[in-house]
Amino acid sequence: KNEVEQSPQNLTAQEGEFITINCSYSVGISALHWLQQHPGGGIVSLFMLSSGKKKHGRLIATINIQEKHSSLHITASHPRDSAVYICAVSNFNKFYFGSGTKLNVKP
Amino acid sequence: EAGVVQSPRYKIIEKKQPVAFWCNPISGHNTLYWYRQNLGQGPELLIRYENEEAVDDSQLPKDRFSAERLKGVDSTLKIQPAELGDSAVYLCASSPSWGDTQYFGPGTRLTVL
Repeated sequence: KNEVEQSPQNLTAQEGEFITINCSYSVGISALHWLQQHPGGGIVSLFMLSSGKKKHGRLIATINIQEKHSSLHITASHPRDSAVYICAVSNFNKFYFGSGTKLNVKP
Repeated sequence: EAGVVQSPRYKIIEKKQPVAFWCNPISGHNTLYWYRQNLGQGPELLIRYENEEAVDDSQLPKDRFSAERLKGVDSTLKIQPAELGDSAVYLCASSPSWGDTQYFGPGTRLTVL
């Protein structure tokens, strides 16, 4: 069983749509991280959060500690948002990564 | 400020050959990570350093993999001998300290023939 589960695995959207990617975890955490990986590119950290909600541009990340669940939202999606989005959690001494959600935004 | 630097970016070798990857973390970052990422999967931690000390190498296949971080700055990851199943992207990341945001390098794509 994976400690971090993401859904959906693959997501195709039309430009302009509102997108939600979900992450559930089964371990105690100190923080949750959302990462972005473009095809052939490196990984960029988008958010690190331990409670509530964070917003950066068109990206919003929320976390519900009681439900062990986080969501990443993209408003007004654009083709350049096409990438793999990875959820990861950290606790006392471990990082656990989800397998990623591959997003394709079509023009 | 320079990001995490890795070299080489690509490496193709035949099985049973040795290979080494190099990583230069962001200046001042105490924590350094080596990950392996297979196609379509998330990163898998191989080893984590706090300064020059390896504090988590539980996922490192120690029969063929080795790593070092001399002086707590640059790090090298070595595979000897390489096997076909080692083909993957090897990522290095660093963070100011454990649990902080990680900054990833571009990775080294290894192909073992």
